[in-house]
Amino acid sequence: GENVGLHLPTLSVQEGDNSIINCAYSNSASDYFIWYKQESGKGPQFIIDIRSNMDKRQGQRVTVLLNKTVKHLSLQIAATQPGDSAVYFCAENTGGATNKLIFGTGTLLAVQP
Amino acid sequence: DAGVIQSPRHEVTEMGQEVTLRCKPISGHDYLFWYRQTMMRGLELLIYFNNNVPIDDSGMPEDRFSAKMPNASFSTLKIQPSEPRDSAVYFCASSSGTGRPNEQFFGPGTRLTVL
Repeated sequence: GENVGLHLPTLSVQEGDNSIINCAYSNSASDYFIWYKQESGKGPQFIIDIRSNMDKRQGQRVTVLLNKTVKHLSLQIAATQPGDSAVYFCAENTGGATNKLIFGTGTLLAVQP
Repeated sequence: DAGVIQSPRHEVTEMGQEVTLRCKPISGHDYLFWYRQTMMRGLELLIYFNNNVPIDDSGMPEDRFSAKMPNASFSTLKIQPSEPRDSAVYFCASSSGTGRPNEQFFGPGTRLTVL
């Protein structure tokens, strides 16, 4: 039968440019957010996280921005490299005693050399 | 540390057969998670354990799926009987309850194909 799958949003950038990947989360009570990177054939790999008492957090070449008012999260990658090509997922923890993460559908980042 | 270890990496089986997936979490981690990833549904949490006790199994699709964690260093996910729609990549992840409590470390996954 027909293979209908998720339509992954795709961001195509040139090597050396900055990339911005966006994510809308669903639960206003969520207090912890993570960005994961998943390369083909591998498991998701942690990139950076942020708690709800912060608006911005920086890592090496990556910055996460959190806008709680509109429930929006973004991942900025500076000087994008071919090795950054992967699917990027945001995930939220809905707070309370649970340790569950709810993952978004992902964005495919394609870096053109 | 070797990270989260999963076995087998690939499994091909026929409909109706029993399938057992295995996971060894990172030593010292007290949370263990089982996920399923498909093109149709993305990454779904099936069940998670804390200190070997199942905490939330609301994501387990049906009674054909069961998971156990007999000790802190080993967990299994069993499907019996398997069906073609169970074909997916199954990930195990573990995390610590201290430090960054929610950062989960994922294994390489088991790609399951049910014919």
